[in-house]
Amino acid sequence: GGIITQTPKFLIGQEGQKLTLKCQQNFNHDTMYWYRQDSGKGLRLIYYSITENDLQKGDLSEGYDASREKKSSFSLTVTSAQKNEMAVFLCASSPGQSGNTLYFGEGSRLIVV
Amino acid sequence: GDQVEQSPSALSLHEGTGSALRCNFTTTMRAVQWFQQNSRGSLINLFYLASGTKENGRLKSTFNSKESYSTLHIRDAQLEDSGTYFCAAAGGNNKLTFGQGTVLSVIP
Repeated sequence: GGIITQTPKFLIGQEGQKLTLKCQQNFNHDTMYWYRQDSGKGLRLIYYSITENDLQKGDLSEGYDASREKKSSFSLTVTSAQKNEMAVFLCASSPGQSGNTLYFGEGSRLIVV
Repeated sequence: GDQVEQSPSALSLHEGTGSALRCNFTTTMRAVQWFQQNSRGSLINLFYLASGTKENGRLKSTFNSKESYSTLHIRDAQLEDSGTYFCAAAGGNNKLTFGQGTVLSVIP
């Protein structure tokens, strides 16, 4: 088995601040994802990466940057935090590229003050 | 883009009863996954299907790619089944598109 670790669990920042979330997986999976979940709603894809140094935009990439520094880690940066951005950010990984099972981390909650 | 329509949005079941959740897809999907999100927010894999039917305990899921839908059946519901259930489907690229979720409340 493996695990996906997201840090921090809670991230508090000020409006306009640049904030970074980190994700590590020890499954040795190729593909990693960042999703955003607003309260009471489904998940929307921000960025994904199919291998180290690869980056693909999802449906919600504007206002975010991402970086796949190595196979096991994928970070997400909110370039300028806004109050309407408060949500839970979920990292996931999957073994291959095409419709494989996704495994999720526990989530990171962003709070903008 | 790809659309996933999930229904119902909310469901209440008495313990011991059952029901079905459904996802309809507007385009051809290659695979579907079902997740349960618990009260802590963790997403738990329930099923991954490229076709056909899978069963696990009191849960059963079917994916019909030709008719563009998937179902999740719950029987003999227990209190710990409460939570939000999501389907997510993979189209012609790497991206999973999620449904809006079904909030399931199991009542004693």
